[in-house]
Amino acid sequence: GAGVSQSPSNKVTEKGKDVELRCDPISGHTALYWYRQSLGQGLEFLIYFQGNSAPDKSGLPSDRFSAERTGGSVSTLTIQRTQQEDSAVYLCASSELAGPYNEQFFGPGTRLTVL
Amino acid sequence: AQSVAQPEDQVNVAEGNPLTVKCTYSVSGNPYLFWYVQYPNRGLQFLLKYITGDNLVKGSYGFEAEFNKSQTSFHLKKPSALVSDSALYFCAVRDVENTGGFKTIFGAGTRLFVKA
Repeated sequence: GAGVSQSPSNKVTEKGKDVELRCDPISGHTALYWYRQSLGQGLEFLIYFQGNSAPDKSGLPSDRFSAERTGGSVSTLTIQRTQQEDSAVYLCASSELAGPYNEQFFGPGTRLTVL
Repeated sequence: AQSVAQPEDQVNVAEGNPLTVKCTYSVSGNPYLFWYVQYPNRGLQFLLKYITGDNLVKGSYGFEAEFNKSQTSFHLKKPSALVSDSALYFCAVRDVENTGGFKTIFGAGTRLFVKA
């Protein structure tokens, strides 16, 4: 079946603009995760969804970042008033079941460049 | 606090030689440990995981990892490296104590170079 898909693959925006990043998880996967991978750094956990709810939003870097998931499927990560330090690759992942045992399947990422 | 350390930024190995990519962890409670690999311009791919049971875990592409509780380590190994193994490798632990295992904490990554 199809894997996790993300769009756009690349996004170049100007400082101060809003951007929306989309993630389509593997069909039937209940859990969805967002990460940020900055150049030369590891993965930074942002937020996870169990179904449509996000129990823990503490990983979001600032209140400019928000995410939602509708219908237990597609998720959108929104960054308002983008800053240059937001430039990174944003990775989405999903897993079949909730819980610590299940491996996550990652999408190819969205490379965001803020000029 | 839950954490993962990958002490080597880069590992260089000749093709055909064994390889080891090191990982140590710090968790409260039972550790749930994972290894992922990232090839250039691609997302992360799952390699293997340790949940419970045998300390030696076998995964994809001939990789294996050894869980050592006393040393709090989970080193990734392969008996004979291939040039195609060259990639960025991430060790990860699930934060069970604080988030029920949803939050995954990744190491900084180790870049593996395999020379022909």
